[in-house]
Amino acid sequence: KAGVTQTPRYLIKTRGQQVTLSCSPISGHRSVSWYQQTPGQGLQFLFEYFSETQRNKGNFPGRFSGRQFSNSRSEMNVSTLELGDSALYLCASSLVTSGRESNEQFFGPGTRLTVL
Amino acid sequence: AQTVTQSQPEMSVQEAETVTLSCTYDTSESDYYLFWYKQPPSRQMILVIRQEAYKQQNATENRFSVNFQKAAKSFSLKISDSQLGDAAMYFCAYRSALSGNKLVFGAGTILRVKS
Repeated sequence: KAGVTQTPRYLIKTRGQQVTLSCSPISGHRSVSWYQQTPGQGLQFLFEYFSETQRNKGNFPGRFSGRQFSNSRSEMNVSTLELGDSALYLCASSLVTSGRESNEQFFGPGTRLTVL
Repeated sequence: AQTVTQSQPEMSVQEAETVTLSCTYDTSESDYYLFWYKQPPSRQMILVIRQEAYKQQNATENRFSVNFQKAAKSFSLKISDSQLGDAAMYFCAYRSALSGNKLVFGAGTILRVKS
């Protein structure tokens, strides 16, 4: 079974531009979560999508948005890029089940975004 | 809000020896999950071990085991017979049973393995 894939792997943008990152979850996984990883702030939760609905959101400004498609693929968008948005963006998928399951999350390799 | 603290920015261990990574967390909830993730230099985050808070028995996965102290809100990871491939950044993470799949991560501990 293929793992979580993220495209593109590397991206360079300039301040003020917008960017869209893509995440394809493991087949059958319906939950996709996004995280931002920076040396200063560490790993921070951005949002989670399940069945095309955002069901959890972290403390990020409205410039960060996302969506999920019917095939569970997810995109996140960052508008009006700032230098501080330079980071590794990780997505994770999980097979959401009912009951007391730990719902293991499988991470993708990440997209390295550099804002100049 | 829940917080996770890893007080050791960096640790070193000799190959074949045992090392323990520390993690404490703060929560007012009683139902949650704890995880240790490994992020090698290639950047792919991998789950090492998980613990359900309602289980008293400490989780074990081959050479990896945890010491879960719920009252003390402590969740340490012990790596036995350390191998060169264990060198990585290790993150402790918390997930509430009430907040979907949101993970709260600690700052991470860099583990170096010396041959």
